Amino acid sequence: QQPVQSPQAVILREGEDAVINCSSSKALYSVHWYRQKHGEAPVFLMILLKGGEQKGHDKISASFNEKKQQSSLYLTASQLSYSGTYFCGTASGGSNYKLTFGKGTLLTVNP
Amino acid sequence: DAGITQSPRHKVTETGTPVTLRCHQTENHRYMYWYRQDPGHGLRLIHYSYGVKDTDKGEVSDGYSVSRSKTEDFLLTLESATSSQTSVYFCAISGRDRRYEQYFGPGTRLTVT
Repeated sequence: QQPVQSPQAVILREGEDAVINCSSSKALYSVHWYRQKHGEAPVFLMILLKGGEQKGHDKISASFNEKKQQSSLYLTASQLSYSGTYFCGTASGGSNYKLTFGKGTLLTVNP
Repeated sequence: DAGITQSPRHKVTETGTPVTLRCHQTENHRYMYWYRQDPGHGLRLIHYSYGVKDTDKGEVSDGYSVSRSKTEDFLLTLESATSSQTSVYFCAISGRDRRYEQYFGPGTRLTVT
């Protein structure tokens, strides 16, 4: 069963912040985040393992609440280059190698 | 770049014909995956491989078969293509370390007429 991402789409002005959420009905082992620009392949951003780790990547960070089976991606002081579709991929069953992806969140950053 | 290529990059075929897509990696990753991406559905796993000749089904495997005879190559076959299999197909690799972050190939756009 696919994790649920929210919102489906968000429009920002450069410099604004955004939060993208990923929620699963299954007990999670890890959450992966990817960004895909139009016409390109998805690109790995970060992975969060169970234990509530918070990771960072430039001005993009994420958290993982394993009790709630939720992860959130935080984009701070957004840049034009942040535009794209963000996907969370969740792993369950004690292993990281098989992911189920959400349907994605389209982020548009305008000047 | 993770050293992963896909061929062909674009293909148009007719309903009922067999089609094979190829994924090639130069990174010696253990795991290889085939996904399809359709508007409104995100990425959905078709099949994956955890070693030479070791494969397993994903969530949308009906109508697809795979083979992996060498570490570097993972083939996806549509035995008899249907219009519902029109999609963008991505190959991915992982397993360099225990985090299993996935690296994606450039994709193959397949159109079945």
